[in-house]
Amino acid sequence: DTAVSQTPKYLVTQMGNDKSIKCEQNLGHDTMYWYKQDSKKFLKIMFSYNNKELIINETVPNRFSPKSPDKAHLNLHINSLELGDSAVYFCASSHSGLAREQFFGPGTRLTVL
Amino acid sequence: AQSVTQLDSQVPVFEEAPVELRCNYSSSVSVYLFWYVQYPNQGLQLLLKYLSGSTLVESINGFEAEFNKSQTSFHLRKPSVHISDTAEYFCAVSSSGATNKLIFGTGTLLAVQP
Repeated sequence: DTAVSQTPKYLVTQMGNDKSIKCEQNLGHDTMYWYKQDSKKFLKIMFSYNNKELIINETVPNRFSPKSPDKAHLNLHINSLELGDSAVYFCASSHSGLAREQFFGPGTRLTVL
Repeated sequence: AQSVTQLDSQVPVFEEAPVELRCNYSSSVSVYLFWYVQYPNQGLQLLLKYLSGSTLVESINGFEAEFNKSQTSFHLRKPSVHISDTAEYFCAVSSSGATNKLIFGTGTLLAVQP
């Protein structure tokens, strides 16, 4: 199926651990994004890559590091996890250009204990 | 800076009744406006968008939204809702700047009751 996929779907971990979330899209898009949705459903962009180049970097702690090995993949690595990192993380992709539709993955629910 | 306000966090409505979900935005530059829908435990899907031209835009499943520049609004309407329309609806704005960055509102839960 053509889609944006994320792994894992659920991630439960202890404070202080390091974890990664993987994202892949097979839609032929050249721009990918990471969003964070908090417990109140507020959705905020974290990062965006275009052709493996970082183009959006919001005020996100340095513990969060995105990596884009190629146009189809954008992974998110989080160091020294904190309680406040608990959220649903969505990956999305689109063609480059203005006002392009973004296609979202199913989300990864991260719970930090 | 841009922002989006969705004043209603939850809108309960009976099946087959009309509904309006409100969205207001603020921006000092030209904007593009979007409505995304999130069904339970899923990612977001684009419902409709306004780029330019006709201020009334429609989706394939009966929703419509009207861009009102003077009131800086982009309210979403449907004349008759179904149980299957129950979902979280997010209004979003992006600017005519260099990136495709979306600024989302806080969402409105449309709860359709039988």
